[in-house]
Amino acid sequence: NAGVTQTPKFRVLKTGQSMTLLCAQDMNHEYMYWYRQDPGMGLRLIHYSVGEGTTAKGEVPDGYNVSRLKKQNFLLGLESAAPSQTSVYFCASSPSYRYTDTQYFGPGTRLTVL
Amino acid sequence: AQRVTQPEKLLSVFKGAPVELKCNYSYSGSPELFWYVQYSRQRLQLLLRHISRESIKGFTADLNKGETSFHLKKPFAQEEDSAMYYCAPPPNFGNEKLTFGTGTRLTIIP
Repeated sequence: NAGVTQTPKFRVLKTGQSMTLLCAQDMNHEYMYWYRQDPGMGLRLIHYSVGEGTTAKGEVPDGYNVSRLKKQNFLLGLESAAPSQTSVYFCASSPSYRYTDTQYFGPGTRLTVL
Repeated sequence: AQRVTQPEKLLSVFKGAPVELKCNYSYSGSPELFWYVQYSRQRLQLLLRHISRESIKGFTADLNKGETSFHLKKPFAQEEDSAMYYCAPPPNFGNEKLTFGTGTRLTIIP
């Protein structure tokens, strides 16, 4: 099992450009999450999904959109990138939404917006 | 949002000394809490969780409901413990948007 994978690993964008980050998991997990990690801010939840075809907003959703067309994939889109979106993005998945469930993380995508 | 708080962003400890990383939570009920660790250039991974009552890599964490804390402890620090540590609530607790703690970067001084 590959677990949780993220594509790409690194990306540099210019302000106003768009891009999509792909997260894939092969563990048949129901729930998936997108976080951003910034120095001094810890991990902040952007969006999450409780199942195929459903998404919900997290703590910092502005400027991002997501889609979960297939159970194994969770896409994060930036329609018009801004320097404030420079960050490391982590995807995670968990078997369900039970309060005892562990989250499994991807390796991260380092995004720089110039 | 119900959340957890990690008051120390940075913590330096000498090798062989005891380690305590603090975590306090602010939600009611019977909380389930986790500690995740991120070693340099690696992904976050689960270190331990309250429900398991286990010791991983010498670390333990006890839930103190009176102090609403879930501090991570290790009696003797090792150099390989240097990492970023996050205290985290469960993925779901009612309808709250749960958030990780801001993390503590632990540095073990040789």
